[in-house]
Amino acid sequence: EPEVTQTPSHQVTQMGQEVILRCVPISNHLYFYWYRQILGQKVEFLVSFYNNEISEKSEIFDDQFSVERPDGSNFTLKIRSTKLEDSAMYFCASSERVAQHFGDGTRLSIL
Amino acid sequence: AQKVTQAQTEISVVEKEDVTLDCVYETRDTTYYLFWYKQPPSGELVFLIRRNSFDEQNEISGRYSWNFQKSTSSFNFTITASQVVDSAVYFCALSSTYTGANSKLTFGKGITLSVRP
Repeated sequence: EPEVTQTPSHQVTQMGQEVILRCVPISNHLYFYWYRQILGQKVEFLVSFYNNEISEKSEIFDDQFSVERPDGSNFTLKIRSTKLEDSAMYFCASSERVAQHFGDGTRLSIL
Repeated sequence: AQKVTQAQTEISVVEKEDVTLDCVYETRDTTYYLFWYKQPPSGELVFLIRRNSFDEQNEISGRYSWNFQKSTSSFNFTITASQVVDSAVYFCALSSTYTGANSKLTFGKGITLSVRP
């Protein structure tokens, strides 16, 4: 069964550094998303992406965040200057229509 | 604004017991989708079910069943004859159809289910 793939599974970064989280969505899906989950808390929406542009973003998705689909397969989330509070699990999801399928997540630890 | 409330935070049952996980939602949209996801200890999010707001038929899939009641804005999830492998955090989620197919999911806080042998 096709699945969403995220790399790396765990990323450790110094505060203030840039980090790029990578995702390969399911190949025939057209809609892409990033969510985050701070440890022990609920999953929060960050951004949705369709047709090479952002469809919707949350208040969390400020100027430090950006998304890109650099080629036909990858979908990336960049955090420009990481803060301690960016430590979380980041989930990529994709959908053909409505049902969003999630990757296994990238655990981001900011030191 | 959309909201999902999972009032139960932790539930512990003994294997083979039935357990119901509650979900109450709020939305001003007339059409919307409801979801349940499972997050096992390994951390991934596993899609379980999607329900369109027009379809109030209950659904059964093996030991899992879902009861959607629009009148009470609830979408409850029952596991029959629970097993240790059912131990996980279960999230209920809501999306609007207003902005189209790629509407964001609004999640509840999740319910931690522990099934003891």
